[in-house]
Amino acid sequence: KQEVTQIPAALSVPEGENLVLNCSFTDSAIYNLQWFRQDPGKGLTSLLLIQSSQREQTSGRLNASLDKSSGRSTLYIAASQPGDSATYLCAVRPLQGGSEKLVFGKGTKLTVNP
Amino acid sequence: DAGVTQSPTHLIKTRGQQVTLRCSPKSGHDTVSWYQQALGQGPQFIFQYYEEEERQRGNFPDRFSGHQFPNYSSELNVNALLLGDSALYLCASSLGRTSGPFFGPGTRLTVL
Repeated sequence: KQEVTQIPAALSVPEGENLVLNCSFTDSAIYNLQWFRQDPGKGLTSLLLIQSSQREQTSGRLNASLDKSSGRSTLYIAASQPGDSATYLCAVRPLQGGSEKLVFGKGTKLTVNP
Repeated sequence: DAGVTQSPTHLIKTRGQQVTLRCSPKSGHDTVSWYQQALGQGPQFIFQYYEEEERQRGNFPDRFSGHQFPNYSSELNVNALLLGDSALYLCASSLGRTSGPFFGPGTRLTVL
């Protein structure tokens, strides 16, 4: 059974700091991995999607890496801003049985202080 | 493009009642998935609908059922509500597997 773990559960940093969020998964047989942002009580906004054959994806100040063999992904946020405050969720799509579902971690709650 | 829309935004029910949540997928998308997100947890997959059929189901009891209409919109029905059903219910739509699903804003269900 695929399990996704995110560390840390919460993170508080001063504005301007570079930071790394971590995600690990137990089964390397995945189709892709995706990072989402969720504001309180809201839906999910997709940030980056990495296919299993890729090593990283970049969008603006965000960079996500994938090491499928070790079951790890990191989300790097450069020059953090108060507007980056949100919960960041990592999700994998398992390969098993043509799975259509995403398996999520519990998220990392990020607070960027002005 | 309105993206994925869900209704209602909030809902309060009492134990034992039944509830129906609605979802309209992003334009051009033909697949709808439903997720339950309890407070402080990641979303949990309930089921997915494609071509008006349930294609895959997560570990949820039969009290949770769904439907997809010819226009690809979908409903999630929950019978015999329990306090533990209180959660944010998220709908996601997609077309194929190469692009990630797009999520709606969710419906907050509170069971008293």
